[in-house]
Amino acid sequence: QKEVEQDPGPLSVPEGAIVSLNCTYSNSAFQYFMWYRQYSRKGPELLMYTYSSGNKEDGRFTAQVDKSSKYISLFIRDSQPSDSATYLCAMSGEDTGFQKLVFGTGTRLLVSP
Amino acid sequence: DADVTQTPRNRITKTGKRIMLECSQTKGHDRMYWYRQDPGLGLRLIYYSFDVKDINKGEISDGYSVSRQAQAKFSLSLESAIPNQTALYFCATSDLGQGGWSTGELFFGEGSRLTVL
Repeated sequence: QKEVEQDPGPLSVPEGAIVSLNCTYSNSAFQYFMWYRQYSRKGPELLMYTYSSGNKEDGRFTAQVDKSSKYISLFIRDSQPSDSATYLCAMSGEDTGFQKLVFGTGTRLLVSP
Repeated sequence: DADVTQTPRNRITKTGKRIMLECSQTKGHDRMYWYRQDPGLGLRLIYYSFDVKDINKGEISDGYSVSRQAQAKFSLSLESAIPNQTALYFCATSDLGQGGWSTGELFFGEGSRLTVL
């Protein structure tokens, strides 16, 4: 079993839809949770960052962490064609070393006009 | 200019050849990383370096070596390339946040696509 599981997709939605992207994990020591966005032929870039449990909102994006269920989510409201990309969750904790991230495999999102 | 620059961007080589992928950064970060990305497997850490004198193996270091020539330069070598090293390779950097902990933000280059025939 992988330490971090993420559905590869693709997830296809129409413009304006609410998108939900999710990851589950098995390591209860994870404390830092991140979402990276990767456009085609580009390197990943950090989108959202949360520490421990709870929600964090940034514009159209909301990140949720439920440590009791070992489940994290990224919600995108009013999705746009420019949101079409691969979204990777990443996490770290004391036993992995805070400086070393464990990544999910990524979910490919396609937003059609 | 990109903050993290990788060369070459694309390379096709044959089994048994020695390959070097180079990474340079202008962000002034001490920490540098090499990852490979494969479909269905995601990003996996090959090597990382927290400063010029510090080199550490990641989860998949077998078959690879690295050199940290300077704070800004970190090279990845495949001494004898094999087909299952065909992948997209990323260099990344990070810095320390307040309190000395990493913010978790990695800054990636645009990747080097390597094909080993």
